[in-house]
Amino acid sequence: DSGVTQTPKHLITATGQRVTLRCSPRSGDLSVYWYQQSLDQGLQFLIQYYNGEERAKGNILERFSAQQFPDLHSELNLSSLELGDSALYFCASSPRTTEAFFGQGTRLTVV
Amino acid sequence: GEDVEQSLFLSVREGDSSVINCTYTDSSSTYLYWYKQEPGAGLQLLTYIFSNMDMKQDQRLTVLLNKKDKHLSLRIADTQTGDSAIYFCAESYYGQNFVFGPGTRLSVLP
Repeated sequence: DSGVTQTPKHLITATGQRVTLRCSPRSGDLSVYWYQQSLDQGLQFLIQYYNGEERAKGNILERFSAQQFPDLHSELNLSSLELGDSALYFCASSPRTTEAFFGQGTRLTVV
Repeated sequence: GEDVEQSLFLSVREGDSSVINCTYTDSSSTYLYWYKQEPGAGLQLLTYIFSNMDMKQDQRLTVLLNKKDKHLSLRIADTQTGDSAIYFCAESYYGQNFVFGPGTRLSVLP
């Protein structure tokens, strides 16, 4: 157990809908990262937050947004969902500038 | 941009050593990592190495880094069936924007 908690574990929703994925980092970790893992694209970095502020941005679509709250938990919002958004979404947290610890992921299926 | 490459498949016999290779392009990488992903699970950090080191050993795992050639390898000694998984190489610049390779699927044959 990495100590990073993601909810829900599975999510099935229809095209055009909006969902929110939640991540609780390890106690004391200030950095949170979001990744998308799909079969054809591999593991893609989406966005990083550090202590509530956006730190780095990767291949995140405009339909997607994220935030980190004062208690350091983070949410990834996905809107106007398309079939191609079906993937595993991982959150990771880091205590400093070295290693990152991953949660178990949320499997999103868009039908 | 940054790129990390790995071979996609590796098969070894139980008890043999496995060597998984990785190349990266970003010369400013400060840390290089190996993660393991079992079916249906998240990524488990196995080990990481700072870019000014050339070797790190942790029990059955040995990481070798050739910074000049931008080549990283992970050796697993006495490979067991429980080591069957996908192994991801990754690099970062001080924890920013981890870039992952495509993963190497390791199959351990009895």
